Amino acid sequence: RKEVEQDPGPFNVPEGATVAFNCTYSNSASQSFFWYRQDCRKEPKLLMSVYSSGNEDGRFTAQLNRASQYISLLIRDSKLSDSATYLCVVSAKYNNNDMRFGAGTRLTVKP
Amino acid sequence: GAVVSQHPSWVICKSGTSVKIECRSLDFQATTMFWYRQFPKQSLMLMATSNEGSKATYEQGVEKDKFLINHASLTLSTLTVTSAHPEDSSFYICSAREAGATEAFFGQGTRLTVV
Repeated sequence: RKEVEQDPGPFNVPEGATVAFNCTYSNSASQSFFWYRQDCRKEPKLLMSVYSSGNEDGRFTAQLNRASQYISLLIRDSKLSDSATYLCVVSAKYNNNDMRFGAGTRLTVKP
Repeated sequence: GAVVSQHPSWVICKSGTSVKIECRSLDFQATTMFWYRQFPKQSLMLMATSNEGSKATYEQGVEKDKFLINHASLTLSTLTVTSAHPEDSSFYICSAREAGATEAFFGQGTRLTVV
């Protein structure tokens, strides 16, 4: 079983749609959780950290379910510029020295 | 956010030669740097972690004699792929983190093609 698993997609949605991604992780000792965004042939960039209580940043909402070991990302009112690959990242160390990446979920937002 | 510069952005080399990739933190001191490899449609795989002035810690399955990592200063780490072969062709990417910080910033990546 992979350490971090994501539905690879692709998710093709129209502008304005709401889309949700899920991610599961295998290490129950994981401490830190993140969503990164990676554009084609570019480096990953931090989208948001995921906190136990759930957190929201504009149109993006992240949630964590430790009991079921999954993380979700919800994007509301999707924009063309949201088209990218979304990476789920998990770390078992407080200093994040062992970040484990999912393979990513590809999102394409169409006009 | 902080800036991490990786060079070169792409390189083509002949089989058997060595390639050096540089990762620089431009506006902060990177006490820890990470090197990843990403094959097409796959996740980033951590290859090694290096702390300034110390030997790198390699992940299981990564050959330390093939992938030489040097982190001699607080702003520069290098990855040298020695005796490269076509199967080493991949996207290599570094990230750098300041002491006490939890977020690491990524370089732009290096696309290596070995022919």
